[in-house]
Amino acid sequence: DSGVTQTPKHLITATGQRVTLRCSPRSGDLSVYWYQQSLDQGLQFLIQYYNGEERAKGNILERFSAQQFPDLHSELNLSSLELGDSALYFCASSVAGGLTDTQYFGPGTRLTVL
Amino acid sequence: EDQVTQSPEALRLQEGESSSLNCSYTVSGLRGLFWYRQDPGKGPEFLFTLYSAGEEKEKERLKATLTKKESFLHITAPKPEDSATYLCALSGGYQKVTFGTGTKLQVIP
Repeated sequence: DSGVTQTPKHLITATGQRVTLRCSPRSGDLSVYWYQQSLDQGLQFLIQYYNGEERAKGNILERFSAQQFPDLHSELNLSSLELGDSALYFCASSVAGGLTDTQYFGPGTRLTVL
Repeated sequence: EDQVTQSPEALRLQEGESSSLNCSYTVSGLRGLFWYRQDPGKGPEFLFTLYSAGEEKEKERLKATLTKKESFLHITAPKPEDSATYLCALSGGYQKVTFGTGTKLQVIP
């Protein structure tokens, strides 16, 4: 158990809908990262927050957005969902968000878009 | 753009048969190279961080090494519980970690 929690574990929805994924980092960690993992692709970095502020952005679609709240939990919002958005979404956290920080991953949310 | 290529894509070993997984990379200023283990349907589990060429780290039956162009994950006398996908990742000049697609290891009793 990494100490990172993600809810829900599974999510099934329809095209065009909007969903919110939630992540609570390990106690004491200030930085949160979001990744997407599709069947045939590696982990794709989406976005990073540090202490409530956006720090780095990866291949995140405009239909996706995220935020980190004062209690350091984070939410990833996915809207106008398409079939291709079906994937595992992982949250990770690290102490300070530096480039050599160890990232600890949560168990993931499996999103299925029908 | 930083790039990570892992080989082979899949590897099947008999229990006790040692082998190595390869991670070749191109990066603009390596800050750190990471190895993770991922079980099906679960989040990656951190194994090692290597910072500079020549560095080696060990944990039980696993040993990670680093050169200027590649990293190896050596598995000595593997057991069935070592079966998993092993992911290599790096951080470089860009403000993010880039992951490879992994090597799926199966160890047969």
